[in-house]
Amino acid sequence: GAVVSQHPSWVICKSGTSVKIECRSLDFQATTMFWYRQFPKQSLMLMATSNEGSKATYEQGVEKDKFLINHASLTLSTLTVTSAHPEDSSFYICSAEDRITNGYTFGSGTRLTVV
Amino acid sequence: GDSVTQMEGPVTLSEEAFLTINCTYTATGYPSLFWYVQYPGEGLQLLLKATKADDKGSNKGFEATYRKETTSFHLEKGSVQVSDSAVYFCALTRSGNTGKLIFGQGTTLQVKP
Repeated sequence: GAVVSQHPSWVICKSGTSVKIECRSLDFQATTMFWYRQFPKQSLMLMATSNEGSKATYEQGVEKDKFLINHASLTLSTLTVTSAHPEDSSFYICSAEDRITNGYTFGSGTRLTVV
Repeated sequence: GDSVTQMEGPVTLSEEAFLTINCTYTATGYPSLFWYVQYPGEGLQLLLKATKADDKGSNKGFEATYRKETTSFHLEKGSVQVSDSAVYFCALTRSGNTGKLIFGQGTTLQVKP
């Protein structure tokens, strides 16, 4: 079945540094990917929709200059948290749309801790 | 706006017990409803779905019925196993299935032998 690989699974970084999270579709082409964020004991919240070859669409309240999304190929989308602060600590998870099966496959998520 | 509310966990059951995880939603129009499961260290997997009122989704012994009159989509299983221990998420999308899922907060299920 469709597989989405997300890396790293966890990362600890210092305040002010940037962190890149990768989301790869391993056996299908993903023209659309979604990035979610989950705070402890809360829902997953959609942050943005990334489309291959075009700019990402951000949900209301999400800072596009802080959360940079690049979807340069049909199998890779990246989320870069720029100038990270402790309040950015969260669980980030991506989802990719498989146009052939019309389904959505999730990565295993990334636990970001900013110290 | 649209929202999903799940019962708070964790839910702890003995093996072979009956499981119910409550889920209610608020949405305009006719959303599609989903249950996703996340096993430890893995990504979310679609467990079952229903796209219109009175539809019943089922998979691996789990069932949920789309109840528009009560805006609910409760997850049930007649006899749980230790391997069912995971986090369960109820979710919805607007009609058209844009992939923009709105999730509940998740319910952790722990099944003890």
